Parts: sequence; C-alpha cells; structure tokens
Amino acid sequence: GAVVSQHPSWVICKSGTSVKIECRSLDFQATTMFWYRQFPKQSLMLMATSNEGSKATYEQGVEKDKFLINHASLTLSTLTVTSAHPEDSSFYICSARGPGGFRDEQFFGPGTRLTVL
Amino acid sequence: KQEVTQIPAALSVPEGENLVLNCSFTDSAIYNLQWFRQDPGKGLTSLLLIQSSQREQTSGRLNASLDKSSGRSTLYIAASQPGDSATYLCAVPFSNDYKLSFGAGTTVTVRA
Repeated sequence: GAVVSQHPSWVICKSGTSVKIECRSLDFQATTMFWYRQFPKQSLMLMATSNEGSKATYEQGVEKDKFLINHASLTLSTLTVTSAHPEDSSFYICSARGPGGFRDEQFFGPGTRLTVL
Repeated sequence: KQEVTQIPAALSVPEGENLVLNCSFTDSAIYNLQWFRQDPGKGLTSLLLIQSSQREQTSGRLNASLDKSSGRSTLYIAASQPGDSATYLCAVPFSNDYKLSFGAGTTVTVRA
C-alpha cells in the first residue's frame, strides 16, 4: 500500500518549452503532496506543498510563476515547469503524506529526470 | 528551520561488516524522524520511521535509534550485503504540516 507514481520518468525538452510532471497516489487519497528538487550529488530541497483544492505554498526562493502546481484531485498533483531553461534541468521528486495511521510518513514517487537542451 | 547533518558522507566496507550511519538535527522538538534509501537515479524508499516518543525502531537487519535530547539518530545495518549499496538519507519534519528537511546523505558501498 501507499504507492506513489510519477509520469514521465524522464523528459528531454528544448529551451523555452513547458513540461508537465504528474504525481499520483495509486492506492490512497493524498490531501497533501510535496514537490522536491534534487541536483546531482545533493540532497532533496523542498519546492512547494500542494494541498488538494487550494493554492500551493512555495518555499522561499522558488518562483511560483515558473513552477506551477495544481492539485485538482485527491490522487493527482501536477508540476508544470514553464518556459524551461537548461538551469531547470534536475531530478524532480514528489511525495504524498500517508493515509490514516500513516499520516506521519511521506511516501515518495520514483522521480522525473528533466533535461532542458 | 531544522538543519540536518549526516556523517560520514561516504562509507565503503567489505561485505558482512556492520554499518553505522549518523544523523544529527538542530531542533530537538521533532515529531518523528524518517530514514530513506535512494538508489542512483531513483526515488526514495522509506526504511524506518521513529516517532518522537520512541527510542528505537527495528526492521529486519535495520535498527534506528533516536536521542531527541542530543539531536541524534543512528541507523545500524547488520551484516551488510552488496545490495545495501545506496545513499541513505535521514529527514525530519520542520513544521506541523510535515515538511521535511533532509540531510545530504551517506553513500554506502559494500564490497563483495
């Protein structure tokens, strides 16, 4: 139980295009999801908190107009990287706060590797 | 904000040796602490979660201890195997909505 998927697993795009990454909780409802970014050989940095039915809250230094987050249902949150540039190339990972008795845990997706040319 | 530090940054041991991974955090008022495993290019797999009221948690060959007062947690992996080679991350919530602060990780290599 508590499985989180991400799609796509990797994407290559040209500079200036927008890319959408999906994060789904497969076997539970997730009212809260989180988006992280990870650079090579570095740890995860929280970008934003996504709450179903409300606006996402962004961490300091994260451009909300650049990284659009939509949590339209209890099982899906999306991250859109708008007008992507090479510096946006990174590994993006989402997580979902667990259901019921697992609400203290976060369950992570497999990540999406974004390469902007 | 919670600062999380992991020492050592990298560790290489022969198969069969026990592993000891350290995690320290600056604010002892934590809800819980979670240990994760990350394989290269992959997402995170949750290994153990210790609640603030617990002193240790065990799963198979893994044992994690928590000392809130000193701001430390230790992950022990008994009888290491090459399949244990990965990066191990500890994370602590830094807010009451469970945002996580991560350490930089310890990259473990177990030599056959």
